[in-house]
Amino acid sequence: AQSVAQPEDQVNVAEGNPLTVKCTYSVSGNPYLFWYVQYPNRGLQFLLKYITGDNLVKGSYGFEAEFNKSQTSFHLKKPSALVSDSALYFCAVRDWNTGFQKLVFGTGTRLLVSP
Amino acid sequence: NAGVTQTPKFQVLKTGQSMTLQCAQDMNHNSMYWYRQDPGMGLRLIYYSASEGTTDKGEVPNGYNVSRLNKREFSLRLESAAPSQTSVYFCASSETGDYGYTFGSGTRLTVV
Repeated sequence: AQSVAQPEDQVNVAEGNPLTVKCTYSVSGNPYLFWYVQYPNRGLQFLLKYITGDNLVKGSYGFEAEFNKSQTSFHLKKPSALVSDSALYFCAVRDWNTGFQKLVFGTGTRLLVSP
Repeated sequence: NAGVTQTPKFQVLKTGQSMTLQCAQDMNHNSMYWYRQDPGMGLRLIYYSASEGTTDKGEVPNGYNVSRLNKREFSLRLESAAPSQTSVYFCASSETGDYGYTFGSGTRLTVV
């Protein structure tokens, strides 16, 4: 079964410092990987995706993610964190078990950026 | 603004009561989904509809039913609410072949 793991419940970083939110995956086919962000009392918003091509994927709000096939990882990164980046981040992978596109989400990582 | 609209935003039910959560999208997407979000468990798929006229079970369908009323609307029904169904429910939609989902703002449901 397809799955993603987010090993950290919370990541704390100071404003201006680089941030990394970790995600590892397990799939039976080609990995289609995604990052979503959830701000308080809001639905999830799409940040970026990896389907194929360059291992470094750029997304919204200055975020990027690095796909590493050998380590089965897809970590979310940003060079300089902002207080406004504080939110809940979800990694997701496409479910290949069915003929229909479905996403399987991780448990989420709360990012807290301090001033 | 284009997007996914969910109603209601908040609801408190007594055990055994029934209710329907409404979801509508105006992006002409073919596919729609219902997820529930619980602390420490992420989002779990309840039901989905690949296209108008079809629905399928997801990971946690027990205690729920769905209706794809037309291309725009996908409702989730709790026939006899239980405290274990206390959660935040999200509806989402996507276009065929496009793996990005658009989510609604959620319904926070409490069953007492």
